[in-house]
Formats: sequence, C-alpha cells, structure tokens
Amino acid sequence: KQEVTQIPAALSVPEGENLVLNCSFTDSAIYNLQWFRQDPGKGLTSLLLIQSSQREQTSGRLNASLDKSSGRSTLYIAASQPGDSATYLCAVGEYGNKLVFGAGTILRVKS
Amino acid sequence: EPEVTQTPSHQVTQMGQEVILRCVPISNHLYFYWYRQILGQKVEFLVSFYNNEISEKSEIFDDQFSVERPDGSNFTLKIRSTKLEDSAMYFCASAFQSGANVLTFGAGSRLTVL
Repeated sequence: KQEVTQIPAALSVPEGENLVLNCSFTDSAIYNLQWFRQDPGKGLTSLLLIQSSQREQTSGRLNASLDKSSGRSTLYIAASQPGDSATYLCAVGEYGNKLVFGAGTILRVKS
Repeated sequence: EPEVTQTPSHQVTQMGQEVILRCVPISNHLYFYWYRQILGQKVEFLVSFYNNEISEKSEIFDDQFSVERPDGSNFTLKIRSTKLEDSAMYFCASAFQSGANVLTFGAGSRLTVL
C-alpha cells in the first residue's frame, strides 16, 4: 500500500527566502506526482504535475523534481512571499487517477 | 478558467440523516472522483466514476455511500445514514482522461454531523 510522507510538517521562514519541501513515497510504480496548495478551509489548487517519465516541472517561482527510483520529490519555492503561506500537499498518482496524499507541509512566510 | 463547482459549501445534519453532496464537473471531463478530508488528517480517496459506473472505491466507501450522475452534468455523493465520523470536507474532482491528467478539484463541501 502506497504511503506518502512529507517533511517538514511545518515551516516558518522570513520573506524572500528560498525553501524546499520534501515528499517521499514507498512504491515507485506511480503514474505521476502532483503538488497542491490548500488554503485554510478551502479546496485544492494544483501547482505542478510531474509525469513518471519526467524529472522536473517549473511554474514561475516553483520548481518540482521527481526521483522515482528513490521515491522522492521536492518542491522548491524561490523568493518566498507572505502570499505563499498555505499548506502544500504532495500526491502520488496511481492507476485510474487515484491520488494518494501526504499529510502536507504548513508553510508560513513572515513579512 | 473552467472549474468544478460543489454545493452546498457547508451542511450541518443530525446523525442518521441522509445527505446528498452535489458537484458539477468541468463539462468535457469524463472521469469523476470524490475525496474526503477529516479535519487535521490526510485527503483520502473515496471513489472514482467513469462511463456511469464506479471504477474503483476505497475501504471507506461502504454501503452507506453511493454516487450517481443523474443528468449528465451533476455528480452526486449520497450518504444514507450519517455517522459522527462522516464529518469531513468532501472534495469532488474531475479529469478529461485517466492516467496522466491533472485532476481539477472543487472547493469542497464541509459536512458536520451532530
């Protein structure tokens, strides 16, 4: 059974810092890996999707990498801003678009 | 940008009552999903639906749960007799294809069972 773990559970950084969020998964037989953002009491916003054949994806200040063989992904956020404060979820895509989520990293960017 | 719409945003119900959560997926999407998130816990897969039938369901999705696409645009989740532990945020999602596609999630319906 796939297990997804995210480290750290919470992170507080000053504005402008670059930061890395980590995600690990136990079964490397995945279709893709997705990073989501969740604001308190809100829905899930997809940030980046990396297909199993890809190594990384970039969108603006966000860069996500995938090392399928070692079961790891990282989300890199450059020049963090207070508006980046949210919970970041990593989700592994299995057969049939079924997603297995990690518990998330709660990010706070202080101004 | 197309979005997945969920109603109600918040529903409070008494234990044992039936609840129907509604979702309008993106119009050209073919695959539909329900996930739930109990407060403070991980988002969990409940069920996937394609071609008017369930493709896969989790252990959580027992006989108390059912899904339906009644009219070609709505996708509903019914809980027949709610329990306290059904209190959660329920997310609907849709995708155009299976496998390599991005799921688009709705904003969620918060269910509180008293």
